[in-house]
Amino acid sequence: AQTVTQSQPEMSVQEAETVTLSCTYDTSESDYYLFWYKQPPSRQMILVIRQEAYKQQNATENRFSVNFQKAAKSFSLKISDSQLGDAAMYFCAYRSAVDSSYKLIFGSGTRLLVRP
Amino acid sequence: NAGVTQTPKFRILKIGQSMTLQCTQDMNHNYMYWYRQDPGMGLKLIYYSVGAGITDKGEVPNGYNVSRSTTEDFPLRLELAAPSQTSVYFCASKINRGNTEAFFGQGTRLTVV
Repeated sequence: AQTVTQSQPEMSVQEAETVTLSCTYDTSESDYYLFWYKQPPSRQMILVIRQEAYKQQNATENRFSVNFQKAAKSFSLKISDSQLGDAAMYFCAYRSAVDSSYKLIFGSGTRLLVRP
Repeated sequence: NAGVTQTPKFRILKIGQSMTLQCTQDMNHNYMYWYRQDPGMGLKLIYYSVGAGITDKGEVPNGYNVSRSTTEDFPLRLELAAPSQTSVYFCASKINRGNTEAFFGQGTRLTVV
């Protein structure tokens, strides 16, 4: 079974600085998707960024980028120029490309605090 | 376009009571899911459905039941509420294509006392 591990329960960053959130996963599959979701106090789950395992190029969405290391099974999220609105829980998630349920497997989350 | 709508947003139940969490989506998605999120934890899959009339268990199905009579609706039933079911419940939906994302509702915070 696949597992997702986020070893940082909480991280803090100064506004305008850069922060990296860590995620590791375990799988025997070669084809899968990885996601970062943001959950602000409103509880809404917001997709931040997505990475297809077959793509070597790291995904980027504006101030958000990932460092995808397939061999190491590592998928970290870098937030540049941090803003107060980035404060939230961040969840790393895995989805198999061969399991037809398309279910998501989540890590336990990292709470990001942004200091003004 | 409302997306995924969950009702109610908050509910307090007494031990042994039953209730149904409602979920509806207007995107004509085949796939629907129920997850629960316990404090300090990630979301865990309770049940899912790949289309009307088809449901299957996820990781933590005990104490819950689901049905899928229409494409739009996927209610989650708690028959005998227990304190261990205190959690935030999320419904999600997705179209039947691998490279697309799931859309989440805003969650239902349930407290069993």
